[in-house]
Amino acid sequence: DQQVKQNSPSLSVQEGRISILNCDYTNSMFDYFLWYKKYPAEGPTFLISISSIKDKNEDGRFTVFLNKSAKHLSLHIVPSQPGDSAVYFCAASLNSGNTPLVFGKGTRLSVIA
Amino acid sequence: DSGVTQTPKHLITATGQRVTLRCSPRSGDLSVYWYQQSLDQGLQFLIQYYNGEERAKGNILERFSAQQFPDLHSELNLSSLELGDSALYFCASSPGDRAPLHFGNGTRLTVT
Repeated sequence: DQQVKQNSPSLSVQEGRISILNCDYTNSMFDYFLWYKKYPAEGPTFLISISSIKDKNEDGRFTVFLNKSAKHLSLHIVPSQPGDSAVYFCAASLNSGNTPLVFGKGTRLSVIA
Repeated sequence: DSGVTQTPKHLITATGQRVTLRCSPRSGDLSVYWYQQSLDQGLQFLIQYYNGEERAKGNILERFSAQQFPDLHSELNLSSLELGDSALYFCASSPGDRAPLHFGNGTRLTVT
């Protein structure tokens, strides 16, 4: 049973436009959420996180939104750049990060110049 | 560079064999995690160690085992290998709870 779902396997966006990556979760006990980015032949790298006490967290071009009632989070990248082309993983944890992360299957983002 | 080192990068072996994957965490990180990524799957948590002690266990098969040594490096042992064990195995480390994980570049295991 997949507790963290990324229903879009891929997304294609024009350079300069907004990229929106979505993630749904089923376990209402998750209270810490992260996004990771992965390039080919490399390990995932941490991008941004959000605690369940917030509904938004921003870091430069990256913003994560959390909707607890819908059990949904999204990652917005504005403006999108070709270097953002990668696989993005959503991850969740219980107890504010005290338990191992549960990952989604990832969304492959392609930013077209 | 995440600071997490995994060796080897690639491993090709036959069914029934045993292999050992090695991970050196970032300097100062006490927690080591092992994840498996099979084709078209997300990262599946296998096991976590904290300062030499097993901390949490996920979907790890009985044929698999791991340990963390006093110098904090970790090894994942996979035995009686099957074709379905072919995957990317990632190691990650963190200084402790509530800290993001830092991943190595993985070991790609191919079982033929």
